[in-house]
Amino acid sequence: EVRLVESGGGLVQPGGSLRLSCLASGFTLNTYAMTWVRQTPGKGLEWVATISGTGADAYYADAVKGRFTISRDNSKNTLDLQMNSPRVEDTAIYYCARLGYGSRSFDYWGQGTLAAVSS
Amino acid sequence: EVVLTQSPATLSLSPGERATLSCRASQSVSSSLAWYQQRPGQAPRLLISDTSNRAAGIPGRFSGTGSGTDFTLTISSLEPEDFAVYYCQSRSGWVFTFGQGTKLDIK
Repeated sequence: EVRLVESGGGLVQPGGSLRLSCLASGFTLNTYAMTWVRQTPGKGLEWVATISGTGADAYYADAVKGRFTISRDNSKNTLDLQMNSPRVEDTAIYYCARLGYGSRSFDYWGQGTLAAVSS
Repeated sequence: EVVLTQSPATLSLSPGERATLSCRASQSVSSSLAWYQQRPGQAPRLLISDTSNRAAGIPGRFSGTGSGTDFTLTISSLEPEDFAVYYCQSRSGWVFTFGQGTKLDIK
């Protein structure tokens, strides 16, 4: 059974830092690109970042480029999102999601972790 | 950047009725269009990939059609558990875009 479990959410001040993690199980992680998607409370979904299966390539939404870093450790089955200099508007539930193999959609999602940016 | 516009914003129907949800892209996305269902307090769940391919375990009452810029998700006969928010999503290179969602609620 494929499982994605996020952790690391919490309250952070604007300009601080927060690291989110996602523990994957039930599949061979290095075969799949992985993604972070966020959802502002009460609003819609927004793509944040994607990393290739090997970790060699990473892609970011303009809203987070230069501030957030996506990374992975396939030996530990983990995916991370380092949030530097977060802003109030980055407050959201952050979901870890798997990009289907050879696909253009996200076939498995974690339950999400809430990152709240506030002074 | 592709913009996805979903309509209507809210759709009020009764169990047993047919639901038709629309997603329009600002430019052609070929067949790269997926649909997700999100129930309150839950993560999104993939329903349809590549316009019309049902994901594993998704009931046959869900179907997707369309191409280019206009896409439709149809639920043939609504079950109580189908009342939720539905999102469309496309991919262009390494940029992923979601629509703003359609809330399907009970009339």
